[in-house]
This record gives sequence, C-alpha cells and structure tokens, in this order.
Amino acid sequence: DADVTQTPRNRITKTGKRIMLECSQTKGHDRMYWYRQDPGLGLRLIYYSFDVKDINKGEISDGYSVSRQAQAKFSLSLESAIPNQTALYFCATSPTDRVLKNEQFFGPGTRLTVL
Amino acid sequence: DAKTTQPPSMDCAEGRAANLPCNHSTISGNEYVYWYRQIHSQGPQYIIHGLKNNETNEMASLIITEDRKSSTLILPHATLRDTAVYYCIVRGISSGSARQLTFGSGTQLTVLP
Repeated sequence: DADVTQTPRNRITKTGKRIMLECSQTKGHDRMYWYRQDPGLGLRLIYYSFDVKDINKGEISDGYSVSRQAQAKFSLSLESAIPNQTALYFCATSPTDRVLKNEQFFGPGTRLTVL
Repeated sequence: DAKTTQPPSMDCAEGRAANLPCNHSTISGNEYVYWYRQIHSQGPQYIIHGLKNNETNEMASLIITEDRKSSTLILPHATLRDTAVYYCIVRGISSGSARQLTFGSGTQLTVLP
C-alpha cells in the first residue's frame, strides 16, 4: 500500500551496529505496528503504538526499541544488531474506527541482513 | 485467540474457483474469522472477515460453517496474480487492546496457467 512507506527497503549491516528502520504513513491512522517475518514463522509483533504517547511491547520486543515521533512516523531501532535479527520487517497501520474490522494496512517491508 | 489450521499448499487452475479451507475448532462466540494474503515479499493485504454469516466482497467470499469450527475462503475466478500465501486468523474483539494480528504459516496458493 503506497500510503505506508518504509525506508530503507534493503539493508545489510554488521553485528553490533545500531540500525534504524523508518515507517511513515499518510493515512491519518492513530495505530501503528512493527512486525518481523521469518521463513516458516509467519509475522510476529515487535511493538505497537496506539497514539504518539502510547508505546507497547509485542510478542518479541527484546533487542528492539521504537520511537513514535509523530502520528505519521514510527521508527524501529536495533541497538546492537545480531545475526538472528536478519528478517523481513513490516510496518502496519490501522484506524481506530475500524478496530472491529481488524484491518491493518502494511508497508512494503524492509529486508534486513545482519552479518 | 483460537488456533487455526490450514493446509500448507494448494494449486488452482487459472479461471477456476480457489477454495481455501481453515479449521478453527476452538473458536469462541465472540471471535471473528479474518483472511489476509501476502504476495511474495510484499506486505500482507486484508481480504475479508466474518462472524457467523457468509460474507462477500469484491475480492472473495467467506463461508463459515454453522458450528463455526471451520471456514472456506473462495476466490471465484483465480488469476495468476492471486498466487500468494493466505492467512486465516481468528481474533476476538475483546482479546486485549492490542489488536495485533497473529499470523500462522498460512496456505501457499499457486494459480497455474
């Protein structure tokens, strides 16, 4: 969905480096999410935010941190990257008024490789 | 949230209907069935959802059995662009406030020319 953008789209880094993945949305949604996807494991939630002042840990938050700089921006950081953080990372948004529908809009993904 | 079981893969001929099954035998009364799909390396895309009645939209139809223990997603005229992994998700409206979606392994649908 072009309304949710992620940068960079691909990144190769080394163990121990600090990495930031950025997500921006023009949909005006309050809720934003970060997921990672590993082969055969589906998507797993890392962090989520219901508004600028609300940050919550997801299923697998260890080794990650996030920042909600504005309604439209939600960044994911790996403070000290390790190889098992190699994965495809997705940002998603959802509008509060569609909570019942559980419809989330996903970005195109960031492929991160940690050597 | 109830656990779901889907076949790992299915094939379908182009132009034919694709019927993707999902078992959710432990579903409770306030849990909805959602379907998403993910085309290779792209972000997941919402398709449809339902509670107990059959639902239809521009993308697909959702048939839920009377006992709600299983459902079928139907793509009426599959095209090559429908090749994707399809995820069946059961989610309650009162299952916490996170509204995060739990994606399992899904079904890899391959539409054959």
